[in-house]
Amino acid sequence: DQQVKQNSPSLSVQEGRISILNCDYTNSMFDYFLWYKKYPAEGPTFLISISSIKDKNEDGRFTVFLNKSAKHLSLHIVPSQPGDSAVYFCAAGGNRDDKIIFGKGTRLHILP
Amino acid sequence: GAGVSQSPSNKVTEKGKDVELRCDPISGHTALYWYRQSLGQGLEFLIYFQGNSAPDKSGLPSDRFSAERTGGSVSTLTIQRTQQEDSAVYLCASSLGRGLYEQYFGPGTRLTVT
Repeated sequence: DQQVKQNSPSLSVQEGRISILNCDYTNSMFDYFLWYKKYPAEGPTFLISISSIKDKNEDGRFTVFLNKSAKHLSLHIVPSQPGDSAVYFCAAGGNRDDKIIFGKGTRLHILP
Repeated sequence: GAGVSQSPSNKVTEKGKDVELRCDPISGHTALYWYRQSLGQGLEFLIYFQGNSAPDKSGLPSDRFSAERTGGSVSTLTIQRTQQEDSAVYLCASSLGRGLYEQYFGPGTRLTVT
């Protein structure tokens, strides 16, 4: 049973436009959410996080939106740049246990 | 400063052999995580250490898997009697704490069981 779902395996976006990566979750007990970016043959690198008490967090070109009622979050990247081409993982965790659950990732291609 | 390091970077082993994977976290990071990524899959949480203790071992796939952390620093993940389904990239991450703290990942160990 996948608790964190990234339903789009891949996404292609024109350079300069907005990239929107989506993530759905099923466990209402999750207290925080994180986005990671991964290049081939490297470990994931942290991008941005959000607590369940907030509905938006912004850091430069990256903004994460959380809709708790829909159990949905999204990562917006604007403007998209060639270096943004990577696999993006959504992850969620709860303060009541130690597990962090990752989605399967979305591969983002930024087109020139 | 130095990031998270893992060794070996690649390991090929025969089915049935034991393997030991090592993680050196960032100095001062009290939290340490192990994950694995199988082909085409997301990151699967294995175990979390706060200091030297791992309160929750339920993420470990079977009793062939064990992990320890000594001195609040280096951690080893041991897989006994390896099986082909254990083939994956094993990733270690460390952070200042649980939750919203950023996790810094190592480059991973690619394990291939033949």
